[in-house]
Amino acid sequence: EVQLVESGGGLVKPGGSLRLSCAASGFTFKNSWMSWVRQAPGKGLEWVGRIKSEADGGTRDYGAPVKGRFTMSRDDSENMLYLHMTSLRTEDTALYYCMIEGDGYWGQGTLVIVSS
Amino acid sequence: SYELTQPPSVSVSPGQTARITCSGDALPKKYAYWYQQKSGQAPILVIYEDSERPSGIPERFSGSSSGTMATLTISGAQVEDEADYYCYSTDSSGNLYVFGSGTKVTVL
Repeated sequence: EVQLVESGGGLVKPGGSLRLSCAASGFTFKNSWMSWVRQAPGKGLEWVGRIKSEADGGTRDYGAPVKGRFTMSRDDSENMLYLHMTSLRTEDTALYYCMIEGDGYWGQGTLVIVSS
Repeated sequence: SYELTQPPSVSVSPGQTARITCSGDALPKKYAYWYQQKSGQAPILVIYEDSERPSGIPERFSGSSSGTMATLTISGAQVEDEADYYCYSTDSSGNLYVFGSGTKVTVL
């Protein structure tokens, strides 16, 4: 069974940093392209970024609102996906999901609240 | 920046057909994916690669794409199909992904 479990969310002050994790199981993680998607309270889905498999170059791309502030990484030996977030803003407050690109599997999300 | 345009809402009576459109300049060359999200739940993929249905998704869900528009059709909509629906695709480079703004489907 495919499982994606996000963690690391919490309350952080504007300008602060946070690292989200996504533990993957039940599929061949190293071959998968992975994305982070977020959803602000009461709002729609917003793509945050995508990291390709290492076999496909490991390329990372990001949405304009987070480019330069957020960084995705992966540890294929541990089946882990990460999102390192810096210079956080109040508008980054959202439920953050990890997902497998193309397969449609999502985790249940981890909540990030940016507030003073 | 690239955008996918969806209608904000669609209403349909039970048993009728609901159609949700998604417009984007890159859709002639890029696949559309459709996600269903019910209140308080994570999204579920209902259509991938324009018209393919994942296992476990009812046959009443179908997808099509023509030119710059992709369409999700719910044939014989049920009350349990009430949800927000999002289209998802990439820009022409294939490197930037985007969700449509979402369509709230009401079945009543």
